[in-house]
Formats: sequence, structure tokens, C-alpha cells
Amino acid sequence: GIQVEQSPPDLILQEGANSTLRCNFSDSVNNLQWFHQNPWGQLINLFYIPSGTKQNGRLSATTVATERYSLLYISSSQTTDSGVYFCAVGSNTGKLIFGQGTTLQVKP
Amino acid sequence: DAGVIQSPRHEVTEMGQEVTLRCKPISGHNSLFWYRQTMMRGLELLIYFNNNVPIDDSGMPEDRFSAKMPNASFSTLKIQPSEPRDSAVYFCASTIMGGTEAFFGQGTRLTVV
Repeated sequence: GIQVEQSPPDLILQEGANSTLRCNFSDSVNNLQWFHQNPWGQLINLFYIPSGTKQNGRLSATTVATERYSLLYISSSQTTDSGVYFCAVGSNTGKLIFGQGTTLQVKP
Repeated sequence: DAGVIQSPRHEVTEMGQEVTLRCKPISGHNSLFWYRQTMMRGLELLIYFNNNVPIDDSGMPEDRFSAKMPNASFSTLKIQPSEPRDSAVYFCASTIMGGTEAFFGQGTRLTVV
């Protein structure tokens, strides 16, 4: 099956700093999503991005499907950005395989 | 839209008891997924349905777990008998069709004592 690797596993930032999270996957996919799991455990949709680049406020994401990776950029981080960021990839069956996540802590 | 709705939000039960988790997908979505999240294994897919039909249940850990989707607006995940190692957060998700954006419910935190 598809393997998904996220890096780094943990990240500590000072408020205002920028960061880049990476997701590598082992096979061709036609679905890729980024989620933020907040401290209350909710999985919040950030991006549905099987290819290309998208931006939403301070967050943006790029997926290069031919090279099997995706990047999530967080600019001017805030304490509310803390939590776990997951990348999930899948095929046209809809079966989503999750990476192990990047735990982000933003300090005031 | 209310999103994917799961119930209960929290469940504490004694070992050996039957547990039933419920999920209402987003209206119009025809694919439904059950995931389990633990510290050790992360988020793992247990089973998913397309048009109410189970497509892949290879992630169901053992025969104590069963899932049904009697209609397009309701699904259950049942554990009988429950064991302490089943303690986890169980998520339900739905999509319009395979390969499109999935939306998750708020999860059910299950504790088996």
C-alpha cells in the first residue's frame, strides 16, 4: 500500500516565525489533503490539493504529484496554529492513508 | 450543512460490554469511512462504504468489530465484546465520491475499563 512520511515529526516555533512541513508519498495519488488536529482533537480541513498550489490566509500548500511530495507553509505563526498537522493521500477509491503527523508548538 | 455527526462524543464502558458508535454523513455524500486514532498507530482506516456497500474492511482489527450502513444517512460501528485495548478515538468521515475531499466528524472518545 501507499506509504506516507511526514517531516519533521516535531517543531517548536516562536510566534511570528515561518515554517514548512513536508509530506512524501510512495505512489501516484489522486487525492491529497492537509488537516490540522487542534488541541480538542478535531480534524480541520486545511487543503484538498492533489496537485498545484493553493493559499488560504497565512497558510499555503503545494503538491508536486510527479515527484510525490507536498509542502505546507505556515507564515507568521500564531499560538492558535499549535497542534498536529496531518497529510493524507488516497486513490480514486477514496481510501485515505494518513501520515504520522507533525506536532507543532508555537510559543508566545 | 451540519457536517458529519458522530455520537456519542465520549463513551466509558466496562470490558466485555457491547459498544455502538454512530455516524451520520453529510447529506449527498455517498462514501463513508471509519477511522481509529491511537498514540501507537496513529490514524488508521478500519472500513469504508460506497453507496452503503462495504468496500474494504481489511483494517477491521478482529471479529469483535463490525460495521453497518443500513441507509445513506446512517452508519454504526459495533464492538462486542469490548476490551481495554479498544480504547481510542474513533472518527467517521464522508466524501461525495472516492478521491474527493473528505470531511471528518468530531470523533468518539472510547474508554474501556
